[in-house]
Parts: sequence; C-alpha cells; structure tokens
Amino acid sequence: GIQVEQSPPDLILQEGANSTLRCNFSDSVNNLQWFHQNPWGQLINLFYIPSGTKQNGRLSATTVATERYSLLYISSSQTTDSGVYFCAVPSTDSWGKLQFGAGTQVVVTP
Amino acid sequence: NAGVTQTPKFQVLKTGQSMTLQCAQDMNHEYMSWYRQDPGMGLRLIHYSVGAGITDQGEVPNGYNVSRSTTEDFPLRLLSAAPSQTSVYFCASSYSLPTGTGANTEAFFGQGTRLTVV
Repeated sequence: GIQVEQSPPDLILQEGANSTLRCNFSDSVNNLQWFHQNPWGQLINLFYIPSGTKQNGRLSATTVATERYSLLYISSSQTTDSGVYFCAVPSTDSWGKLQFGAGTQVVVTP
Repeated sequence: NAGVTQTPKFQVLKTGQSMTLQCAQDMNHEYMSWYRQDPGMGLRLIHYSVGAGITDQGEVPNGYNVSRSTTEDFPLRLLSAAPSQTSVYFCASSYSLPTGTGANTEAFFGQGTRLTVV
C-alpha cells in the first residue's frame, strides 16, 4: 500500500520562528490533507490540497503531486501552534481509508 | 454549522460492558467512518459507510458493530468491552470516499472520544 513519510518527527521552535514540515508519499495521489492535532487531541483540518499552493493566515501548504510530496509552512509560530501535524492521503490497500503519516510533533516555546 | 459531533468525550467502562459511541454530522455527507488512534499505531479504520443502509468493515472491525439508518448518524457499538479497546475514537465524514476520484473528498473529524476499559 501507499507509504506516507513525514519529517522531521519532532520540532522545537521558539515563538516567532518559521518552519517547514514535509510529507512524502510513495504513489500518485489526487487527494491530500493536512491536519493539526492539538494538545487536547482534536484533529483540526488545515488544508485540503491535492495540488498547488494554499494559504490560511500564518500557515501555507504546497503539494507537488508529480514529485510526490507536500510541504506545510508555519510562519511566525505561536505557542498555540504546538501539537502534532499529520498529512493523509487515500489508502491504496484499504477501501475508504485515509492513510496517515506518523506525524511531526511541534513544540513552540515562549 | 456544528460539523461532526461525537459523544461522549470521555468514557470509562468495565470489561464486558457494552456501549455506543455516537456520531452525527450536519453537512449532508454520504461517507462516514470510524477510526481508533493508539500510540505507535496511528489511526486505524474500524468501519465505514458509503450511505444510509450501507456499511462495511475497515482494517480492525472485530469487537465493533455499526449501523447507518440515516445520513446524519453513524453510531459505533462496542459489544463486550475489552482492555484492548482502550483508545481514542474518531468519527469522520466526507462527501465521498477518500479515493481521490470524488468531486470533494475532504474529510472532517469529530473531537474524539477517549475510552478507557478497566
């Protein structure tokens, strides 16, 4: 089935810093999402971005489907950005399933 | 617009008890699903439904039942709780199956139910 790899696994940032999270996938996709799981465990939709670039406030994302990767940019990070960031694509071996990466744990310190 | 609503948020069960986790969505989505999230295992699909009256098994269906009598609701039933079912459960919905071929397959998740079986 499709493999989804996220890097880095952990990231510690000082408030105000910028960062880039990466999501690589092993097969062609035309459906990719980024989620933020906050410290309370909620999964928050960030982007639905099968291709191209989208921006939402301090966050933006770019997916290059032909090269099988997506990037999530966090600018001017805030402590509320802490949590785990997941990317997810349709599974190729389980009908109806989203295949999640292992996530990037982000800690933003004051 | 409430999105996907799960109840309860927290639950403690004794081994052998049964219970139902509720999930409701108000987006008129055809596709709904249940996942469990465990440390080191990521999110695993339990059951899913492509529309009212139609359900199917995911990758970890044992010990769980589902039904879909309406478009809005997709309850998950634990028949006889076991400690191995201690987990965080998420319900999700989208317009169509996340195969990438639908017009809009963006999935929305509920806030989760943290279940402990003792």
